[in-house]
Amino acid sequence: AQSVSQHNHHVILSEAASLELGCNYSYGGTVNLFWYVQYPGQHLQLLLKYFSGDPLVKGIKGFEAEFIKSKFSFNLRKPSVQWSDTAEYFCAVKGTDSWGKLQFGAGTQVVVTP
Amino acid sequence: NAGVTQTPKFQVLKTGQSMTLQCAQDMNHEYMSWYRQDPGMGLRLIHYSVGAGITDQGEVPNGYNVSRSTTEDFPLRLLSAAPSQTSVYFCASRHTTDRTYEQYFGPGTRLTVT
Repeated sequence: AQSVSQHNHHVILSEAASLELGCNYSYGGTVNLFWYVQYPGQHLQLLLKYFSGDPLVKGIKGFEAEFIKSKFSFNLRKPSVQWSDTAEYFCAVKGTDSWGKLQFGAGTQVVVTP
Repeated sequence: NAGVTQTPKFQVLKTGQSMTLQCAQDMNHEYMSWYRQDPGMGLRLIHYSVGAGITDQGEVPNGYNVSRSTTEDFPLRLLSAAPSQTSVYFCASRHTTDRTYEQYFGPGTRLTVT
């Protein structure tokens, strides 16, 4: 079964700092990968997704992620964060079952201080 | 187009009580799913459905029942609530033909069992 590991559970940084959140998955075959964001009190929204093609994926709000197959990684980056990026971030991978159920990481709580 | 809707937003139950969490989507999605979100554990799949009349268990199905009589609705039933079921519950949906496997999430139901 697929598994997803997010390296950091809690990150605190200042506005304008760069952000990188780590995500590793276990399956070495064809993968569909996602980063979802949950702003305080809101539901999960898709930030970006990778299913094929260019391994550097650009998403909404200036986020990007790089799929590195050899490292089983899909790290999320943003060059300069804003206070409004305070949220919980979840990495997810499509499972290997026939219906492609999503497997989520434990999440990373990001707090951006003014 | 309302997307995925969930009711209620908040609920407090006493141990042993039963209730149904409602989920509806207006995107004609075949695949619907229920997750629970607990701190440090990400989202875990409870049950899912790939169409009307077809349901299956996810990772943490015990204590929950589902049915799918229509494409639009996918209610989650707690038969006898326990404090361990205190959590935030999210419903999600997608087209089974979407090869990106992106899921759309509802706003969530925060459930407290005392």
